[in-house]
Amino acid sequence: EAQVTQNPRYLITVTGKKLTVTCSQNMNHEYMSWYRQDPGLGLRQIYYSMNVEVTDKGDVPEGYKVSRKEKRNFPLILESPSPNQTSLYFCASSSGGRTYEQYFGPGTRLTVT
Amino acid sequence: GQNIDQPTEMTATEGAIVQINCTYQTSGFNGLFWYQQHAGEAPTFLSYNVLDGLEEKGRFSSFLSRSKGYSYLLLKELQMKDSASYLCAVRDAGNYQLIWGAGTKLIIKP
Repeated sequence: EAQVTQNPRYLITVTGKKLTVTCSQNMNHEYMSWYRQDPGLGLRQIYYSMNVEVTDKGDVPEGYKVSRKEKRNFPLILESPSPNQTSLYFCASSSGGRTYEQYFGPGTRLTVT
Repeated sequence: GQNIDQPTEMTATEGAIVQINCTYQTSGFNGLFWYQQHAGEAPTFLSYNVLDGLEEKGRFSSFLSRSKGYSYLLLKELQMKDSASYLCAVRDAGNYQLIWGAGTKLIIKP
């Protein structure tokens, strides 16, 4: 089944404790992206990757890191999480083609206390 | 700057028709998407328009006017399961990037 998976789905952590949210897709997509979603603000892009070893900042990259060592994986790293990073996070992937439709993972709800 | 506007919330009755509008001002344009998102779940793709006109897909239709920077999503024969947020997104010219609206929360009443 074609899908984007994220882990963990839910995470409660404390300020300053490094964490990684994994994202993996099995559709051989070139493009992958991380978003955060907060009430009233919609989806805001954190980082994106056009292909292996190619990453770039989105609209809200501060406090986050990413890597793209393999085509299928695109982990999101919070080196020192803070309470303002409490949010719902989505990973998405897309390939070329007419619609460039983005496929989303199920989401990771992160709470930083 | 880049801007996408949608109503924050709309209410409609089961069995009726509702139109959700989206206006956009972007530096480039390479297509407009509509996604549906149920509370706490991932967005799922509904429609894509790149040329002016109406695209129909079952109970859902999407319209685009590039000259007016305007799109709408039309939902017919509303069902309770259509209660969700509807997100409008514009793809910038020449790349994969999507610019997202804040979404319209649609409430369906019996």
